[in-house]
Amino acid sequence: DGGITQSPKYLFRKEGQNVTLSCEQNLNHDAMYWYRQDPGQGLRLIYYSQIVNDFQKGDIAEGYSVSREKKESFPLTVTSAQKNPTAFYLCASSTQGQGQPQHFGDGTRLSIL
Amino acid sequence: QKEVEQDPGPLSVPEGAIVSLNCTYSNSAFQYFMWYRQYSRKGPELLMYTYSSGNKEDGRFTAQVDKSSKYISLFIRDSQPSDSATYLCAPLKAAGNKLTFGGGTRVLVKP
Repeated sequence: DGGITQSPKYLFRKEGQNVTLSCEQNLNHDAMYWYRQDPGQGLRLIYYSQIVNDFQKGDIAEGYSVSREKKESFPLTVTSAQKNPTAFYLCASSTQGQGQPQHFGDGTRLSIL
Repeated sequence: QKEVEQDPGPLSVPEGAIVSLNCTYSNSAFQYFMWYRQYSRKGPELLMYTYSSGNKEDGRFTAQVDKSSKYISLFIRDSQPSDSATYLCAPLKAAGNKLTFGGGTRVLVKP
């Protein structure tokens, strides 16, 4: 079954700690994205990558970092510099080209201990 | 002002009724329009995808786009309790593939 797998489903972070969220896709998509969703708000773009070894900042990149070493994988690190990390994090992917729809994983909920 | 606006709801309807959802946007660069359905604690699922003004039908779902008034609608016919979810509209510019999401409308279909 093709799809996007995010892990873990729930994650807890202590103050001052970095944590990494995993996103893997087997859809053979070139482009991958990370979004943050807060209650009552729409999704906001953190980072995106259109090709391996290349990525761009989205609208709210501060306090986050990413890597794209493999086409299938796009991990997101929430650093201690992110002062309000509690949120639902969603990974998406799409094919290249104009107007391509994005397909989402089932998210990781990050909370602060 | 947000680029994409949706009434947060909740919109409560009886089973079998038509659900009518609306979304307005301010950026005329948006050319592609998507509707996603999101169940609680799950990722958004692509429901409808349209390009340019007009109607598109898929089963019980109809998407309408009016670019002249920057207005997008989604209609759900014969609504079921399983349609209870949050519906997100997400327009996309022709250049690049960065979606801009509305805040979503929560729908409750009561049996």
